[in-house]
Parts: sequence; C-alpha cells; structure tokens
Amino acid sequence: GAVVSQHPSRVICKSGTSVKIECRSLDFQATTMFWYRQFPKQSLMLMATSNEGSKATYEQGVEKDKFLINHASLTLSTLTVTSAHPEDSSFYICSARAPKGGSRTDTQYFGPGTRLTVL
Amino acid sequence: QQQVKQSPQSLIVQKGGISIINCAYENTAFDYFPWYQQFPGKGPALLIAIRPDVSEKKEGRFTISFNKSAKQFSLHIMDSQPGDSATYFCAATFPRSGNTPLVFGKGTRLSVIA
Repeated sequence: GAVVSQHPSRVICKSGTSVKIECRSLDFQATTMFWYRQFPKQSLMLMATSNEGSKATYEQGVEKDKFLINHASLTLSTLTVTSAHPEDSSFYICSARAPKGGSRTDTQYFGPGTRLTVL
Repeated sequence: QQQVKQSPQSLIVQKGGISIINCAYENTAFDYFPWYQQFPGKGPALLIAIRPDVSEKKEGRFTISFNKSAKQFSLHIMDSQPGDSATYFCAATFPRSGNTPLVFGKGTRLSVIA
C-alpha cells in the first residue's frame, strides 16, 4: 500500500509555544490531504481538508487561526498548532488520498500519527 | 448527526472464532465503504473496502458483506487471532463527487483471547 509519513511522531512542548507537524505522501502525489484529531478511545475527528495550492477547508468548530494548515506541494502538508495549550494535547493524524485514475483511486492512506503533549 | 453507526462498541472473541462488526449508514450518496484497523498509538491502516455494486468482498480472513437496501455493511474476521486485537473503524464517503472526507463510525475494540 501507499506510504504516508508524519513527523514528529511525538512532541512535548510548553504552553504558549507553536508546534509544526509534517505529513508527507512518500510514493504518490496527493492533491488532497486531511487532518484528524483523535482523543483516547474515541474515533477520528476531521479537522480540515487540505488542498494543494489553495486554502484549507476547516470543519465547524475548528479555529483556522489556531490550527494553520499549509499544503505546499503535492507530497507535503503541514499543521501548525499555534500558541498551544494543554487542551490541545491529542493524537493528530493526517491522511492522503490516492490520485484518481490509478489502481488505488479513492483510497485514503493514513500517517502514523503525532502525539502532542502540551505542558 | 452521526451518519455511520457502528456496533458493537467492544467485542471479545475466542481465538479461532469469527469476529463480526456491523455498520449502518444514512446517506445513500455514499459509494465507498472502507474498514480500517488501528493499533494503540498508531494511525489507522486500510484493511479492506467495498463499493455498493457488489454484495461481498473477501481478502484473506477478512470479508465485507454489503446490503445496499438495508444500508448496512459488516466486517467478518474468520479464524480470529490475538494479533487481530485492535480497534476497527468502518467508514463511508462519496469520493467520486469530489474531495470528500471519510465519515467514520465510532469504532469497535476487538479483543481476541486464547
């Protein structure tokens, strides 16, 4: 299957600092990437849809100024948690959709996740 | 409004038994139904997926059964093994209509005991 990487896998930061999480599709180009947040023992909650070369679409209740998303290229999307607070501590997961027309059309591949802990 | 309802919330199965997880959806526009497996501290991994033009799809020990009229689909894990112990999520989307995200069920925590 396709590979999506995330970096870092784990980060601990102080309250008030900003944290950047990278999501890369390693063996395919992804025009669309998605960012999710997952709390312990819960399902994935979609935060935003990231489209290469355009502004991200945020889900209702997600602060766009708090969670900055940049889809700079067809293989890289970044999520920056600005002025992080303890309530932002969570497991952040990205996914990338395989391009249309190939054998993996419509399939969404997930990264390994980033565990953010804000002290 | 939860568009994909998943049950049971947790499941305990004996080794060698059959694990069955069910999902029901509401939006008839959905045309792609994947199942994901997630281990603690890891991202979800695609297990198997189905489109509504078929009623069943099998890959190894994993089978999806799809009932379009009932708007239900289920995952069957045959010969369940302790290594299958994980959280399973069903999902639905209509990707052909654009860059639409997955709608996830709430997950099922499967424990396979020896």
